Amino acid sequence: GAVVSQHPSWVICKSGTSVKIECRSLDFQATTMFWYRQFPKQSLMLMATSNEGSKATYEQGVEKDKFLINHASLTLSTLTVTSAHPEDSSFYICSAPTEGRAKNIQYFGAGTRLSVL
Amino acid sequence: QKEVEQNSGPLSVPEGAIASLNCTYSDRVSQSFFWYRQYSGKSPELIMSIYSNGDKEDGRFTAQLNKASQYVSLLIRDSQPSDSATYLCAVISSGSARQLTFGSGTQLTVLP
Repeated sequence: GAVVSQHPSWVICKSGTSVKIECRSLDFQATTMFWYRQFPKQSLMLMATSNEGSKATYEQGVEKDKFLINHASLTLSTLTVTSAHPEDSSFYICSAPTEGRAKNIQYFGAGTRLSVL
Repeated sequence: QKEVEQNSGPLSVPEGAIASLNCTYSDRVSQSFFWYRQYSGKSPELIMSIYSNGDKEDGRFTAQLNKASQYVSLLIRDSQPSDSATYLCAVISSGSARQLTFGSGTQLTVLP
């Protein structure tokens, strides 16, 4: 299947700092990517839809000024958690749907575990 | 509110048995249905996709879709301890721009 690369896999940071997470589609172009957050023992919660060349669409309750999304190319979307606090500690996962013949199958990155001290 | 519901489990089956996972969805015009497997601490991995009524088989996995009943299931034959994971049902609903709606997941344990 298609490959989505996510980096870093694990980050520890101090409260108040910003963290950038990258999501790349390695063998296909993705005009749309999705960012999820998952807390322990809970399902994935969609945070935002990243659109190449335009503004991201955020889900209700997600602060767009805190979670900055940039989708500057057809293979790269970034999520920046600004001024991170301990309550932002979570597992962040990106996904990208293949287009055309694969009927919208989404492939997930390996995830980024963020721990804010 | 478009919803996807799963029996949350946990579900335990002995090794070699058939594990049956169930999912219902609320949006009648949904067209695309997926089963993902998620091991603890890892991201979801696609197991099956299904788009038409009926059964779709891939190795030990069989997905079943009944659009009239708004029901999709996953059967795992000859269950192995390595199948122990959380299984997520996901649906692309109408007008959702390819956005997946996930169920809460069913935790499966296969006992050796």
